[in-house]
Amino acid sequence: QVQLQQSGAELVKPGTSVKLSCKASGYTFTSNHMNWIKQTTGQGLEWIGIINPGSGGTSYNVKFKGKATLTVDKSSSTAFMQLSSLTPEDSAVYYCARHGSSSYVMDAWGQGASVTVSS
Amino acid sequence: DVVLTQTPPTLSATIGQSVSISCRSSQSLLHSNGNTYLNWLLQRPGQPPQLLIYLVSRLESGVPNRFSGSGSGTDFTLKISGVEAEDLGVYYCVQSTHAPTFGSGTKLEIK
Repeated sequence: QVQLQQSGAELVKPGTSVKLSCKASGYTFTSNHMNWIKQTTGQGLEWIGIINPGSGGTSYNVKFKGKATLTVDKSSSTAFMQLSSLTPEDSAVYYCARHGSSSYVMDAWGQGASVTVSS
Repeated sequence: DVVLTQTPPTLSATIGQSVSISCRSSQSLLHSNGNTYLNWLLQRPGQPPQLLIYLVSRLESGVPNRFSGSGSGTDFTLKISGVEAEDLGVYYCVQSTHAPTFGSGTKLEIK
């Protein structure tokens, strides 16, 4: 079965960066794009961007350009998202979610990774 | 950005009751290829969202057929025909015709 295992919770200081991981299993990693989504109580769910694991090609929500950088390691079937210049507004739960090849939407989600930005 | 407006924000239902959730889009979700990429997710308490319905009305594998989706253009509806206790949670519509955006959610409570 499809599984997306995300890295654990992070407590980080303002101005620093954090890199989250999402290890995929149960399917061919390069066959599906991978989305990243931000969830907060105030803003709800926001799409950050998507990466094609086969080519490394990316597309970002304009709001997150310069904030998020998506990469993959095909050898370990792992997707990464780096968030830079962190502020308290970046505190959220971040999800990776596979893009369905027949549904064209997020059809499998990781368990989420909590990021807290605080001094 | 495409704005999805969900109503109602909260819904209280008894077991067996049928309920509907509306999702209205600020722009047509009909893609130039003829598909409409309007989808529904359920987020149970403490869990990540899960896909229920895609392409307006197609049931994701393993999703009970008491869930159904309908609509076109800018107006869409999720119906649950006979709510069960496991259906509690927050329902989101999400469109992927344009850069993906999510509705604000409808919280379903069981009376």
